[in-house]
Amino acid sequence: GQQLNQSPQSMFIQEGEDVSMNCTSSSIFNTWLWYKQDPGEGPVLLIALYKAGELTSNGRLTAQFGITRKDSFLNISASIPSDVGIYFCAGYNSGGSNYKLTFGKGTLLTVNP
Amino acid sequence: EAGVTQFPSHSVIEKGQTVTLRCDPISGHDNLYWYRRVMGKEIKFLLHFVKESKQDESGMPNNRFLAERTGGTYSTLKVQPAELEDSGVYFCASSLRTGGVYGYTFGSGTRLTVV
Repeated sequence: GQQLNQSPQSMFIQEGEDVSMNCTSSSIFNTWLWYKQDPGEGPVLLIALYKAGELTSNGRLTAQFGITRKDSFLNISASIPSDVGIYFCAGYNSGGSNYKLTFGKGTLLTVNP
Repeated sequence: EAGVTQFPSHSVIEKGQTVTLRCDPISGHDNLYWYRRVMGKEIKFLLHFVKESKQDESGMPNNRFLAERTGGTYSTLKVQPAELEDSGVYFCASSLRTGGVYGYTFGSGTRLTVV
């Protein structure tokens, strides 16, 4: 089946630093997604990318959909303590109404104030 | 509007016992999904309902897992008998048929520990 390789597995950074994480796939996806999971909660969608090469921002977050459609990265600028959590990349190939997502293993982000 | 509700939030059971997890989707959402995350691994798709019908159950690990969605409202996921490797967090998600990914909402999950 399709697999997503997400790196790094974990990051420990100081407040104010920028963060970058990425995801690569063994196969093509036509949509890439980035989720954040806070402790005790479910994943919440941060950014959705629909076109190869697309660069999208959401506040301090920037994500790009790789030109080959097999990779994506997420940048967080000027990190703050509430950025702590697990970040997941996910991909899917839309068709009808089946939004079956394939996830990476997650990046655990710790921000030291 | 109320979000996706899952209960229990935690369950600890012994190997060989039966556990039933419940998911209440957002009202009006025809699509309902079950996912599972084993510690340190990816969140993996288990199955997808459209109303009361199973659209895709390709991710169900084996026949010890049984999912139902009677009447197309809430869903249950039963594990019988539970094994140690079934431990993990089980997430439910729901969406409208034409809602797109921004309408795809996850519940807080049920953390299952099999001892």
